[in-house]
Amino acid sequence: GQQLNQSPQSMFIQEGEDVSMNCTSSSIFNTWLWYKQDPGEGPVLLIALYKAGELTSNGRLTAQFGITRKDSFLNISASIPSDVGIYFCAGLSAGGTSYGKLTFGQGTILTVHP
Amino acid sequence: NAGVTQTPKFRVLKTGQSMTLLCAQDMNHEYMYWYRQDPGMGLRLIHYSVGEGTTAKGEVPDGYNVSRLKKQNFLLGLESAAPSQTSVYFCASSYPGRLGNTEAFFGQGTRLTVV
Repeated sequence: GQQLNQSPQSMFIQEGEDVSMNCTSSSIFNTWLWYKQDPGEGPVLLIALYKAGELTSNGRLTAQFGITRKDSFLNISASIPSDVGIYFCAGLSAGGTSYGKLTFGQGTILTVHP
Repeated sequence: NAGVTQTPKFRVLKTGQSMTLLCAQDMNHEYMYWYRQDPGMGLRLIHYSVGEGTTAKGEVPDGYNVSRLKKQNFLLGLESAAPSQTSVYFCASSYPGRLGNTEAFFGQGTRLTVV
């Protein structure tokens, strides 16, 4: 089964609120990626993290690569209606027999009420 | 740039039929992936490839086969389709950057229904 546990599964928030979601893994990753998927579309990359402890921002989005390399979180500040969608974390396996394997979390469904 | 292109975009199969989904990328990426997406299950990895001529199993490989004869193409085959394979299939490609870093880019998906 999947190695990544993403939470929460869904969130219902008011416009202007901040959002936080996270992923944990039983395996070490050397890259964490965060994606957003709109209905009927493929996932689109939001933020890429390459180093343990790294904190990266992209506009209202901030993500961190956990120091243990087994977790990551994504924050969205001052949410707006167009933030609605499904957010996925993904981890790239560090090596061994799983080298190059990119595993996704189950996704967080975000609903923003105006 | 076309990026990652999947064909077909929609398909209806009868149980037991076979078909091949094609993924093509024009970014000279080394890595390619096939995922299936079902409600509440996120994206589950079927098979992946880290280079031309190589393939590896993902989390849900049973009932599927893949081939990577050319670097730009990654084919996903269903030998005998089953209703449980009704899903949306996504292909992705990425490059191994410095220190193994990567960013995967996705196609638009193939919606497959098996009746």
